[in-house]
Amino acid sequence: DSGVTQTPKHLITATGQRVTLRCSPRSGDLSVYWYQQSLDQGLQFLIQYYNGEERAKGNILERFSAQQFPDLHSELNLSSLELGDSALYFCASSVGGTAANYGYTFGSGTRLTVV
Amino acid sequence: LAKTTQPISMDSYEGQEVNITCSHNNIATNDYITWYQQFPSQGPRFIIQGYKTKVTNEVASLFIPADRKSSTLSLPRVSLSDTAVYYCLVGARDDKIIFGKGTRLHILP
Repeated sequence: DSGVTQTPKHLITATGQRVTLRCSPRSGDLSVYWYQQSLDQGLQFLIQYYNGEERAKGNILERFSAQQFPDLHSELNLSSLELGDSALYFCASSVGGTAANYGYTFGSGTRLTVV
Repeated sequence: LAKTTQPISMDSYEGQEVNITCSHNNIATNDYITWYQQFPSQGPRFIIQGYKTKVTNEVASLFIPADRKSSTLSLPRVSLSDTAVYYCLVGARDDKIIFGKGTRLHILP
């Protein structure tokens, strides 16, 4: 158990629908990062929040949004889902704002299947 | 952003030492070098981190030359369970952390 909790573990939904993925960071970590990993693809950085504020943005689609709440948990909202959105979505957390120098802790991911 | 270059894939045999080299020519002065391991359908796991020279832990060693433009992850006496994707990551000055495709290591019996 890494200490980063992601729910749900699996999600199957239809095209056009909207889903919410949830992440609780490791205790004491202030940053939350969201990544998307499609089949045989690398980890695509989506967005980072630090202590409730958006800190960095990657190639996140306009159909996707995220937020970090006062208790530091984060939610990734995916709307108008398409087949191509099927992927593993990982959440990671770090104690500081620059994970590359502090180190990430990843959750076990949410596998999203859009049918 | 310090871009990294790693081999796409490597094969080795059980019991061998495996060295995976990562190039990062434009590493910044205050950047650390971190390696992660990822098994299929799991999140990446921190392996080792270093700034210069050599770092060793119970899992691996990390060798960093004086110019810090490359680093080598060394896995001693690998086993089948070391089959995974290994990512080299260098500190992101603008916080846009890019993992890249990593190195797919395949250990053969």
